[in-house]
Amino acid sequence: LAKTTQPISMDSYEGQEVNITCSHNNIATNDYITWYQQFPSQGPRFIIQGYKTKVTNEVASLFIPADRKSSTLSLPRVSLSDTAVYYCLVVVWGSGGGADGLTFGKGTHLIIQP
Amino acid sequence: GAGVSQSPSNKVTEKGKDVELRCDPISGHTALYWYRQSLGQGLEFLIYFQGNSAPDKSGLPSDRFSAERTGGSVSTLTIQRTQQEDSAVYLCASSSGGHEQFFGPGTRLTVL
Repeated sequence: LAKTTQPISMDSYEGQEVNITCSHNNIATNDYITWYQQFPSQGPRFIIQGYKTKVTNEVASLFIPADRKSSTLSLPRVSLSDTAVYYCLVVVWGSGGGADGLTFGKGTHLIIQP
Repeated sequence: GAGVSQSPSNKVTEKGKDVELRCDPISGHTALYWYRQSLGQGLEFLIYFQGNSAPDKSGLPSDRFSAERTGGSVSTLTIQRTQQEDSAVYLCASSSGGHEQFFGPGTRLTVL
């Protein structure tokens, strides 16, 4: 299983762009990189997923270099409500169509200040 | 069209008792996952179902933990002879086979 490493915590201010980087040196060919967001007392919520290069949706962008050994989640113009824990995980898809052995880790606690 | 639901939302039990936690996935989702999250920790994978079968049980922490899924829908996670270290939030997620998992609100288990 590809292990991920990300900062334990980050601080930023409203209106700023926040970039959270995750290392996954042992990523395999069939692995996808997925990011989730979790607010207190709630289950995680899917943010974005990518395989290589850049992916953008209405919430965030995900940058993945050619070697895929790291990825960066970019949150544009954050607000106070973006304060949450952000998890990077590498997803291996099993032959049955579901994900095998997901490991979330402790995530990055992002704190947005006024 | 509701999301994943879990019951009970909170469960307080005494050490040594058995507990059952229930998960109702999104209708039509074939994959179902159980996770555990202790206070201040990340999510710990427990078990994954594809349909009614569990191809990956590797995360179950001990033989006191078991899970089943019937009719490709509802799943129950059973913890026998609960211990204080079992106290955590138990989260269930389902997926249609795509890469996004939809999580329920969790069951907060407290073992006294």
